[in-house]
Amino acid sequence: LAKTTQPISMDSYEGQEVNITCSHNNIATNDYITWYQQFPSQGPRFIIQGYKTKVTNEVASLFIPADRKSSTLSLPRVSLSDTAVYYCLVGRVSGSARQLTFGSGTQLTVLP
Amino acid sequence: DGGITQSPKYLFRKEGQNVTLSCEQNLNHDAMYWYRQDPGQGLRLIYYSQIVNDFQKGDIAEGYSVSREKKESFPLTVTSAQKNPTAFYLCASSILAGEYGYTFGSGTRLTVV
Repeated sequence: LAKTTQPISMDSYEGQEVNITCSHNNIATNDYITWYQQFPSQGPRFIIQGYKTKVTNEVASLFIPADRKSSTLSLPRVSLSDTAVYYCLVGRVSGSARQLTFGSGTQLTVLP
Repeated sequence: DGGITQSPKYLFRKEGQNVTLSCEQNLNHDAMYWYRQDPGQGLRLIYYSQIVNDFQKGDIAEGYSVSREKKESFPLTVTSAQKNPTAFYLCASSILAGEYGYTFGSGTRLTVV
């Protein structure tokens, strides 16, 4: 399973764009990159998933360079409610049950 | 609405007792998982199951047991052999192939008193 490395914490101000980068140097060909958001005392929530290039949905964008050894989660115009822990995970799409490895994540704190 | 239901939300256990945490899903997902989370830490995999009547140990299975008698249900028993059971327990489910992602329950906070 590919190991991921993220910053432990980040601070931002309301209205700013936040970019959280995750490194996954040993990502395999079949691996997808998925980001989750977790609020205190709640289960993680799926944010976005991608394989290569750029993926955008209504809450975030995910940028993946050609070598796929890193990825960047971009949150546009954050608000106080975006304060949470963000996890980057790498895993395979098909086959047996996917054993996702959650690192410690990135604690994002949005300040007023 | 489809989802995963964990119960109870809070659970208190006396030392030496076994307790069972419930996890039910109506998403028709094949795979189910149990994770443990300690304060300020990431999630660690306890057990997972791909199919009814089959399950595999994760990274920290000692002191825990599970069963998968129905596709919808994956209860976790924290036994007295688990030396430090106080933690936040999360259940998740997923399909096995195709679009990839976990759906998590809202968690059970277990405290040993």
